Amino acid sequence: DSGVTQTPKHLITATGQRVTLRCSPRSGDLSVYWYQQSLDQGLQFLIQYYNGEERAKGNILERFSAQQFPDLHSELNLSSLELGDSALYFCASSVTSRGMRGGYTFGSGTRLTVV
Amino acid sequence: DQQVKQNSPSLSVQEGRISILNCDYTNSMFDYFLWYKKYPAEGPTFLISISSIKDKNEDGRFTVFLNKSAKHLSLHIVPSQPGDSAVYFCAATPRANRDDKIIFGKGTRLHILP
Repeated sequence: DSGVTQTPKHLITATGQRVTLRCSPRSGDLSVYWYQQSLDQGLQFLIQYYNGEERAKGNILERFSAQQFPDLHSELNLSSLELGDSALYFCASSVTSRGMRGGYTFGSGTRLTVV
Repeated sequence: DQQVKQNSPSLSVQEGRISILNCDYTNSMFDYFLWYKKYPAEGPTFLISISSIKDKNEDGRFTVFLNKSAKHLSLHIVPSQPGDSAVYFCAATPRANRDDKIIFGKGTRLHILP
C-alpha cells in the first residue's frame, strides 16, 4: 500500500457519459498529480494541484477537469466520454509542489473502459 | 513530441546477467532524472534518480548513468533477478520552476528469463 488511494479501481461506462475518479493523497502530501496511461503510451501528465490550487496543466482535454478539496483529496472529472478515453488513470502525490526529489508516490490507478 | 524516449519496448535478460535499459531525452532544460518500476495492476514506484550535476548514482543492484552531452541515460541492474520483471519508466523534470511535473517515457518491459 503506497498510501495514495484511488477509487474506483475499475470503471466501465458508455460513450457520452461522465465519470468522476477520486484520489486521496498520502498523509502529509499537499500536491496531487493526475496522469493518463493509454495503450502503448507512457504516462501522460494531465494536471497538478497543490494545496487546493491548480499548479500545472499538461495534455488535458477540455472535456476533463479536476479539483482538489480542502481535505486535499482530488477528483478528476471526465465528460462526454469517447472510446479513446479508455485508459489507466493514475494519481500521484508529493509533499510540496517542488518536493519530488524522491519521486512521486503513485496510487494503483483506475482502469476506465468506455464502451 | 516525445521529450523522453525509450526506444526499446521490451527486453529479455537471463537471470543473473546484467540488464541495461536505455533512455534518451531532447529537452536540455531537464535537470533531474528518475526511473520508476511498474508491476501489473500496481502504480509506478520510484526506483532511483540522478541529478544533472552527477554522471552516476548507485543504489544496491541499481545504477543510473547520465551522459549529458549525448542526452542519454541508462539503468543497469546487476545481477538481474526474477522479481525485476516489470515495466521500467524513464522520467525527467525541467530546471527549477513553479511547474515541476515529471515527463515520462513510454516504458520498457523487462523480462528476466530463468
